[in-house]
Amino acid sequence: KNEVEQSPQNLTAQEGEFITINCSYSVGISALHWLQQHPGGGIVSLFMLSSGKKKHGRLIATINIQEKHSSLHITASHPRDSAVYICAVTNYGGSQGNLIFGKGTKLSVKP
Amino acid sequence: ETGVTQTPRHLVMGMTNKKSLKCEQHLGHNAMYWYKQSAKKPLELMFVYSLEERVENNSVPSRFSPECPNSSHLFLHLHTLQPEDSALYLCASSQGSDSYNEQFFGPGTRLTVL
Repeated sequence: KNEVEQSPQNLTAQEGEFITINCSYSVGISALHWLQQHPGGGIVSLFMLSSGKKKHGRLIATINIQEKHSSLHITASHPRDSAVYICAVTNYGGSQGNLIFGKGTKLSVKP
Repeated sequence: ETGVTQTPRHLVMGMTNKKSLKCEQHLGHNAMYWYKQSAKKPLELMFVYSLEERVENNSVPSRFSPECPNSSHLFLHLHTLQPEDSALYLCASSQGSDSYNEQFFGPGTRLTVL
């Protein structure tokens, strides 16, 4: 079992829908990251958080440390949001730069 | 050029070939990383360099050999690879290499080993 689990694995939505992607982890962490990977491979860091909630445009990330759970929300989804969303954590005592990655959630937003 | 660039973007090689992947960062960062992304598997960290010194090697086979000649450039030398090494190889950089430093990724090199 992977130390970082994401759900769902695949998600199809209609343009304008509210989207939630979930991430659960089993290790103690010092930080959690949400990344976006577009077709073609390039990865962009969306959020890094260790508590509470962060918002950037239509994207919101929340984390519950006690429950070891994070969610990524997309409001008013758009076809350009279609990508793979990856959750990653850095655990306590982890080596420098050593992120533990989930397998990703593939999001497809239809017009 | 801005951000993190990788060349080539696509590479097909035979098992007896020797090739190199190149990564260059234009962000003034002092840490660089190689990751491997195989189909249906999470990203795997291969190597971390901080201030041009290798600080992490996650038990990567010796057929992968990294080189970091300066803080802006990172290479991954490949020789006698196996078909299971076919994957997307991603380079990243950050300012500092601890867990609070945001990593910036390149577009990746799609490698196919025949």
